[in-house]
This record gives sequence, structure tokens and C-alpha cells, in this order.
Amino acid sequence: AQTVTQSQPEMSVQEAETVTLSCTYDTSESDYYLFWYKQPPSRQMILVIRQEAYKQQNATENRFSVNFQKAAKSFSLKISDSQLGDAAMYFCASYQGGSEKLVFGKGMKLTVNP
Amino acid sequence: DAGVTQSPTHLIKTRGQHVTLRCSPISGHKSVSWYQQVLGQGPQFIFQYYEKEERGRGNFPDRFSARQFPNYSSELNVNALLLGDSALYLCASRSRLISGNTIYFGEGSWLTVV
Repeated sequence: AQTVTQSQPEMSVQEAETVTLSCTYDTSESDYYLFWYKQPPSRQMILVIRQEAYKQQNATENRFSVNFQKAAKSFSLKISDSQLGDAAMYFCASYQGGSEKLVFGKGMKLTVNP
Repeated sequence: DAGVTQSPTHLIKTRGQHVTLRCSPISGHKSVSWYQQVLGQGPQFIFQYYEKEERGRGNFPDRFSARQFPNYSSELNVNALLLGDSALYLCASRSRLISGNTIYFGEGSWLTVV
């Protein structure tokens, strides 16, 4: 069974600083994808970044990057130069093609202080 | 290009009633899935459809049903509504060919059962 664990329910960061959100997962499959989604108060689930399990190189999207440690089943998100608009709930999720579903963690609330 | 669109955005129903939620996927996406997000939790998988066939079902009662139409749009139906069905219902679409299995979400339908 797929499981995703986000152990930090809340974090805060100063504007322009860097913050790292942690996530661990468990899966029996070799072909899977990992995602970070952002959910602002509007509640729309917005894709931040994705990582294919078969790729060793860590994904990067502008100020967002991941540290994918496959052996440790760890998938952390680093946000550089934090902005007020980054404040939101962040969800880590895993997808296995065979199960046809995303499994989400419980989420983490990020506050950005001016 | 339009993203995933859902309707209605908000609705209020009475216990015991029936509700139908609608979703149009991103153009070219043939896979549609539905998730329920209760306040304070991560989304939970309900159904996944591909080419009009159900490919996955989460742990939800038979009161929940769905279907996919030839144009790949989808409906989620919930019968005999309970107070506990109050949640944000998210629709997502995916295409391995177009977006490499990245899953995109609509803005959701807020359902309140009174």
C-alpha cells in the first residue's frame, strides 16, 4: 500500500529566507511519481513540482527544488527566497500507475512572515 | 488552454438529497479522477475513469457513483447525502502522453450538507 507522511503540521519562514518541507513515503512499486501541491485559501490544488522515481536528478522549478532520496524514501521541498504568496497548505503526494490514484499526506501549513 | 473545470463551485443540499457534480478535463486528457477533501485533511481518492471505464475506486460507500462521457467529461453522483459528505470535491485529469502523468486539479466543488 502507498503511504505518504508529512510529520510537520506547521512551519513559518521569514520573507526572502529559505525553508524546507519534509515528506516520506512508502511504496512497493518501482514506477511511481512524487508531487508537491500547494493549496492556498481558495482551496485550488496547484502543482508545485514533480519528480519521476526513475530520474536520479532532483527536479527544480524556479525557486522550488526537491531533495529526492530514493533509498530513504524521502522527498523534501525547498523553497528559496520565500514570498508572501507562498503562504499556503502544502501537500506531498505519490502516484503509482498501477493504482491509478494519488495518495496525499496530511499537509503542512506554511506561514511567510514579512 | 482551459484547465480542469468543475461545476457548480458551491452548493448546499439537505440530508437525504442527491447531488451531481460535473467536471471537464484538460483538452486531450482522457483520465479523470475524483477526490474528497474534508476540512483539515488531505484529499482522499474516490474514483478514476479512463476511456469511460472505471479504473479505480477508493474506500467510499455505494452511495457514491461516477461516470465518464464520450467527450471525457465526468459526473460524480452522491445519493442519500449525509452531513459527513460536506467537503470539497476535487476533479483531476491526467494524460501520460501530453503531460507525462502529471495530475492537474480543478478548483473544486464545495458541498455543504445541512
